[in-house]
Amino acid sequence: AQTIHQWPVAEIKAVGSPLSLGCTIKGKSSPNLYWYWQATGGTLQQLFYSITVGQVESVVQLNLSASRPKDDQFILSTEKLLLSHSGFYLCAWSLTGGSSAETLYFGSGTRLTVL
Amino acid sequence: AQSVTQPDARVTVSEGASLQLRCKYSYSGTPYLFWYVQYPRQGLQLLLKYYSGDPVVQGVNGFEAEFSKSNSSFHLRKASVHWSDSAVYFCVLSAQGGSAKLIFGEGTKLTVSS
Repeated sequence: AQTIHQWPVAEIKAVGSPLSLGCTIKGKSSPNLYWYWQATGGTLQQLFYSITVGQVESVVQLNLSASRPKDDQFILSTEKLLLSHSGFYLCAWSLTGGSSAETLYFGSGTRLTVL
Repeated sequence: AQSVTQPDARVTVSEGASLQLRCKYSYSGTPYLFWYVQYPRQGLQLLLKYYSGDPVVQGVNGFEAEFSKSNSSFHLRKASVHWSDSAVYFCVLSAQGGSAKLIFGEGTKLTVSS
């Protein structure tokens, strides 16, 4: 069975400090990977997606970057946090192939508070 | 332009009552539609999806949804809700481009009162 693990579960960080969030998918080779951001009480906004190692597409510019160093790992990071980065970050995966009917499988998320 | 509208930000129903959560979409092509549920402090889970065939699709935990092309709608229903159904429900549209082009509605927060 496939599992998706996000770390850390929660972070409290100062404005201007760096950030690194991670996501690992086990049991599925070459998945499509996604990062979503959710403001408190809000909807989901897609940030990045990746269809293969080393390739990441940016969907929204929020002074964040993403990398896929391994087939099963997706990293979200920034060198300088802003207050507006606070929220809930969700990693997700789907099967490859690009079908519009693909299901997304979400991790449990990371709650980020920037002070 | 593609969009998803969930007109009800909050819905409260009594346990055992029936439920309908509304979803309207805007898309000129053939839509692929999903309902996801988010329990407190958790990620999202798929309830059901529609992409062709019978306009009424069955999902998990007794949920179903009905697709209407004429009304551009994909409403979610359940005959009898349980307190554990309290969560936020998202209607999602997938246009051409697969999962890289998902459009989420604003979500409807469902509270089931006992």
